[in-house]
Amino acid sequence: EVQLVESGGGLVQPGRSLRLSCTCSHFTFGDYAMSWFRQAPGKRLEWVGFMRSQAYGATTEYAASVKGRFTISRDDSKNIAYLHMNSLKTEDTAVYYCARDRTTVNIRLDPFDVWGQGTLVTVSS
Amino acid sequence: ETVMTQSPATLSVSPGERVTLSCTTSQSVGKNLAWYQQKPGQGPRLLIYDASTRATDISARFSGSGSGTEFTLTISSLQSEDFAVYYCQQYNNWPPYTFGQGTKLEIK
Repeated sequence: EVQLVESGGGLVQPGRSLRLSCTCSHFTFGDYAMSWFRQAPGKRLEWVGFMRSQAYGATTEYAASVKGRFTISRDDSKNIAYLHMNSLKTEDTAVYYCARDRTTVNIRLDPFDVWGQGTLVTVSS
Repeated sequence: ETVMTQSPATLSVSPGERVTLSCTTSQSVGKNLAWYQQKPGQGPRLLIYDASTRATDISARFSGSGSGTEFTLTISSLQSEDFAVYYCQQYNNWPPYTFGQGTKLEIK
C-alpha cells in the first residue's frame, strides 16, 4: 500500500526553524512531484508548495504566505520529501500534510491522490 | 486567487439517505476540480477528480458533476463510514491551489 508518513512537528518559538519530513513507501518516489499543505485550527486546507520530480528539474513553487521562509527539498535515495520552515510565525501553527500528485506527468492539472496523516506544528512563545 | 465556496457547512442526515453537496468557484476552473473526504486525525482521501471521475477504489455510490463554476458531489445511499468532512479543490488556476471550507456530514 502506498504510504506517506510525516514527522518532525512540535512546539517551536516564533522566529525559530523546524524541518518536517515526509517518508514515502511502496511507489517510485523519484517519479512524482511532492506537495505540502497545512490546515490551521478551524480553517480550510491551504497549499504550501511543491517540488517537481528530477525529470522536470526538481523545481519548486510556493504559496505567497510562505515564499522566502519555507523551502521544499527531496532525497530520492531515501524516498523522503522535506519542508524546511524558517522565521516561523504564530500564524504558521497548523497540521502539515504531504501529498503526492495523482500522475507522474508534470502538467500541473492534477489532484493529489495520496496524503499522509499530518504532523502538528505549534508556534508559540 | 480562485475562491471556493461550499454549501451547506453542515448537513445532518440519516444512513441510507441520498445527499448532494455543492461547490462554487469564483472563476471558471473547467473540469479541474476534485473532491476529498477527511476523517478526524487523517489526511484527506481523494474521491473524485476531473469533476466526475472516481478515484481508485472509490465506491460507485460517490458521483460528481459540473463544470466551469458549479459542481456537486452526490452520495447515493449514506453508509456509516461516510460521515466525515468533504472538501472541494481546484487545480486549474494555480498558484495557489485552493480548497473550499468543507461540508460536514453528521448523523441525524
